[in-house]
Amino acid sequence: AQTVTQSQPEMSVQEAETVTLSCTYDTSENNYYLFWYKQPPSRQMILVIRQEAYKQQNATENRFSVNFQKAAKSFSLKISDSQLGDTAMYFCAFKSGNTGKLIFGQGTTLQVKP
Amino acid sequence: DVKVTQSSRYLVKRTGEKVFLECVQDMDHENMFWYRQDPGLGLRLIYFSYDVKMKEKGDIPEGYSVSREKKERFSLILESASTNQTSMYLCASSRQGASPLHFGNGTRLTVT
Repeated sequence: AQTVTQSQPEMSVQEAETVTLSCTYDTSENNYYLFWYKQPPSRQMILVIRQEAYKQQNATENRFSVNFQKAAKSFSLKISDSQLGDTAMYFCAFKSGNTGKLIFGQGTTLQVKP
Repeated sequence: DVKVTQSSRYLVKRTGEKVFLECVQDMDHENMFWYRQDPGLGLRLIYFSYDVKMKEKGDIPEGYSVSREKKERFSLILESASTNQTSMYLCASSRQGASPLHFGNGTRLTVT
């Protein structure tokens, strides 16, 4: 069975600085996808970034980038130039390419301080 | 824009009641999911469905069942509600492959 682990329940960062959220996962599959989602206080889940496991290049979306280490089963999220609006809970997620099953980690609450 | 609609934002039920949570999506997505979200536990998968009348157990299916008679609708059923099922329930849908999830606004269920 697949598992996703986020070992940092809470983090904080000063505005304009860089922060990295960690995520590890466990699977025996070779075909899968990884995601980071953001859940602000409004509660609506928002996709931040995605990575296909077969791609070696790390995904980047503006200030958000990932460090995907397939052998280590690690998928960390880096947020550069943090903004107050980045304050939210962040979830790492694993999607099986075989079954479509998608599971989440426990979440990391990020607070960006002015 | 994809829309995933959950029938209720807040729901209060009594222990032992049968509870139906409805979810409808309007983008012809193959996959639909039900999660519950609890503090410190993240989102835990209850059931998912990859096609009409098809369903797969997630990580915490006990006490729940689901129904998918039409592609756009995925219902979560609590056969006999218990207080430990008090939670936030999130429905989501997606296409196959790398397609991300699209979430509903959630249903806050309280069982008293």
